[in-house]
Amino acid sequence: AQTVTQSQPEMSVQEAETVTLSCTYDTSESDYYLFWYKQPPSRQMILVIRQEAYKQQNATENRFSVNFQKAAKSFSLKISDSQLGDAAMYFCAYRTRQGTSGSRLTFGEGTQLTVNP
Amino acid sequence: DVKVTQSSRYLVKRTGEKVFLECVQDMDHENMFWYRQDPGLGLRLIYFSYDVKMKEKGDIPEGYSVSREKKERFSLILESASTNQTSMYLCASPPGLAGKADTQYFGPGTRLTVL
Repeated sequence: AQTVTQSQPEMSVQEAETVTLSCTYDTSESDYYLFWYKQPPSRQMILVIRQEAYKQQNATENRFSVNFQKAAKSFSLKISDSQLGDAAMYFCAYRTRQGTSGSRLTFGEGTQLTVNP
Repeated sequence: DVKVTQSSRYLVKRTGEKVFLECVQDMDHENMFWYRQDPGLGLRLIYFSYDVKMKEKGDIPEGYSVSREKKERFSLILESASTNQTSMYLCASPPGLAGKADTQYFGPGTRLTVL
């Protein structure tokens, strides 16, 4: 079974600064997807960024980018120019490409990000 | 532009009560999921369904059951609610086929308190 670990329960960053959230995972598969989700106080889960394991290039979405290290099974999220609206719980998630349960997500524990003005 | 709805945002029930949590999606998706969210544990999969009347256990199915009579509706049932089922419950539904990197659409969550 796959597992996802986020070792930072809480992080804080000053507005306009850069912060990196860590995520490691364990799997025996070679083809899979990784995601970062954001959950603001409204509780609505929002997809921030996705990475396909067979792509070596790191995904980017505006101020959000990832550092995907497949051999190390590491998938960190970098938020540049942090904004107050970035404050939220962030979840790292894994998704296999195989089988009828291939669309289920396995989540990490979450990292609560605080952005200080 | 609402895609996944849940019947209640907040729910308070008594120990031993039968509880129904409803989830409806308007996207004609085959797959639907129920997760439970607890502090320090992230989201854990309770049950999922990949077709009408089809269901599979997730990682923590004990104490729960599900029903999917229609494609758009997926219900989570607590047969006899207990205090350790106090939690946030999230319904999700991904588009497309298994194996595609499509995002999952989540409902707004139901915060259930069992007294």
